[in-house]
Amino acid sequence: AQSVTQLDSQVPVFEEAPVELRCNYSSSVSVYLFWYVQYPNQGLQLLLKYLSGSTLVKGINGFEAEFNKSQTSFHLRKPSVHISDTAEYFCAVSRGSGNTGKLIFGQGTTLQVKP
Amino acid sequence: GAGVSQSPSNKVTEKGKDVELRCDPISGHTALYWYRQSLGQGLEFLIYFQGNSAPDKSGLPSDRFSAERTGGSVSTLTIQRTQQEDSAVYLCASSLATDIAKNIQYFGAGTRLSVL
Repeated sequence: AQSVTQLDSQVPVFEEAPVELRCNYSSSVSVYLFWYVQYPNQGLQLLLKYLSGSTLVKGINGFEAEFNKSQTSFHLRKPSVHISDTAEYFCAVSRGSGNTGKLIFGQGTTLQVKP
Repeated sequence: GAGVSQSPSNKVTEKGKDVELRCDPISGHTALYWYRQSLGQGLEFLIYFQGNSAPDKSGLPSDRFSAERTGGSVSTLTIQRTQQEDSAVYLCASSLATDIAKNIQYFGAGTRLSVL
């Protein structure tokens, strides 16, 4: 079975500052990793995903994440945040080969960008 | 429509009543997923449908929860004898097929269920 832990429930940050949202996972099989963003009263939107290959993946809106197999982490980063990045962010994992699309999510991290 | 549509957007019900939540997936998407987003529990997988295959019901929390997908399109999640702990946002997602490496899951805005 897979599980995901997002270490911070809330992350306050000032506009134009860098941010890192932490995610750790556990799994006995190979996995795919994802970050989703949820703006208020909207559904989840895929930010980026790691399937294989390069451990640094770039997504939409200037976000990137780095897969670290030895630390079983997939932290999300952005060098300079905007007010519009205020949202809830979810890290998720699925089985690698033979997956059914079923996603296991972390608890979510609320990013609060302050002016 | 262009995206995944869920109705109603909000539902308030009394404890013990039955409720039905509807999901209209993107046209042509054969895979459909239900998740629940509740305080303290985060986002939990409930059930998924893929084409005409038997659904994976492994995430349903109790036998009060059931779901069906008629004609391979619209899905209804039914909660019988609702309890206060059922209060949550119920999210639906669809994708062209289940292989998540090749197919993005698109999420609806959800149905917020409040059980009084």
